[in-house]
Amino acid sequence: DAGVIQSPRHEVTEMGQEVTLRCKPISGHNSLFWYRQTMMRGLELLIYFNNNVPIDDSGMPEDRFSAKMPNASFSTLKIQPSEPRDSAVYFCASSLGSILSPLHFGNGTRLTVT
Amino acid sequence: AQRVTQPEKLLSVFKGAPVELKCNYSYSGSPELFWYVQYSRQRLQLLLRHISRESIKGFTADLNKGETSFHLKKPFAQEEDSAMYYCALSPAGYGNNRLAFGKGNQVVVIP
Repeated sequence: DAGVIQSPRHEVTEMGQEVTLRCKPISGHNSLFWYRQTMMRGLELLIYFNNNVPIDDSGMPEDRFSAKMPNASFSTLKIQPSEPRDSAVYFCASSLGSILSPLHFGNGTRLTVT
Repeated sequence: AQRVTQPEKLLSVFKGAPVELKCNYSYSGSPELFWYVQYSRQRLQLLLRHISRESIKGFTADLNKGETSFHLKKPFAQEEDSAMYYCALSPAGYGNNRLAFGKGNQVVVIP
């Protein structure tokens, strides 16, 4: 199993551009999470899905951020328009629905907005 | 809301010396506590959780509700323990759905 797959690994874009981050969870996992990591704030939960349905998006910073999960094997996090303060590492993680199941993280996407 | 505090950003220890990573939390209800670890060039992964009461790679962590702490300890550090360590808390019964992470500790084990 390749684990959670995120793409791209690195993204450099100019302010105002649209950015789309992609995630393929582990097959069979029914929960998917998007996290943002910065030096100042550490790991923050942005949104999570259960069975492809967004359950809690209270961590999404503002309307410029949106996330979708059209099927069980794919999710996107979109930032439009991007701003320099969005620069961070974005992690996707998945898990089984069981309370005892650990989170399985992807390698992350390092986003730089200039 | 729950909050996790890891006071030391960087911890350097000599190989063979004991290592302790401090984690304090604030949460009014019953918490579940975890330690996650990220080794160089690897993914963030679960190290241990308090409900399992297990020792993983020589690490242990005890939940102290009186002191609201979940410190991670290892009596003899090894070079392969160099990594980033994150303490995390979830309200009991919520699993990963309300998981809050601390800002992490960078551990460097000096040969």
